[in-house]
Amino acid sequence: NAGVTQTPKFQVLKTGQSMTLQCAQDMNHEYMSWYRQDPGMGLRLIHYSVGAGITDQGEVPNGYNVSRSTTEDFPLRLLSAAPSQTSVYFCASSSGLAGVSWEQYFGPGTRLTVT
Amino acid sequence: AQKITQTQPGMFVQEKEAVTLDCTYDTSDPSYGLFWYKQPSSGEMIFLIYQGSYDQQNATEGRYSLNFQKARKSANLVISASQLGDSAMYFCAMREMQGGSEKLVFGKGTKLTVNP
Repeated sequence: NAGVTQTPKFQVLKTGQSMTLQCAQDMNHEYMSWYRQDPGMGLRLIHYSVGAGITDQGEVPNGYNVSRSTTEDFPLRLLSAAPSQTSVYFCASSSGLAGVSWEQYFGPGTRLTVT
Repeated sequence: AQKITQTQPGMFVQEKEAVTLDCTYDTSDPSYGLFWYKQPSSGEMIFLIYQGSYDQQNATEGRYSLNFQKARKSANLVISASQLGDSAMYFCAMREMQGGSEKLVFGKGTKLTVNP
């Protein structure tokens, strides 16, 4: 049981490049989400998904795309990287079921630098 | 308007003493949940404790307890008998339903330093 995995751990991009941050979970969780963490800002929700085929925007969605074709995977795409997207990105999942633990399980994070 | 407020950017405590980290929240949803997470310098997010809005008793997990005062909309984390390994960032977060979907909103965090 690997929990939530993220790849890569570190990435450096040039402005304008595109890339996909990968996230996978093996807990059969319906709810998955992406956050970015910037100094002094806490974690901010980018996009989330309540199940395969269903995604929605969070607090800071601009510049990012997501899709959820399977329960296990929730990739985050940067279409045209900008220096403002330099951040640490966390993927998280939870069962999201009423009456069950609401704990969100976080991946180890991806540290992205855009130059 | 900020939904989760952590007013202490940094806190210091002596080893073996208790410390309280403050968290206030704002929601009109009667059903919500409150979390505390620990983030050590290694960067991972570690779940500590959860309190549901309908829970009658304060949540406890080992040395962690959540002082839930619903009328005051506060959910302070109490760490008893602090250890050096407790030095980390601590984040308060609230789960609420928005537009039919669950969302988790985080505060900006409190950096706790435990001194020997």
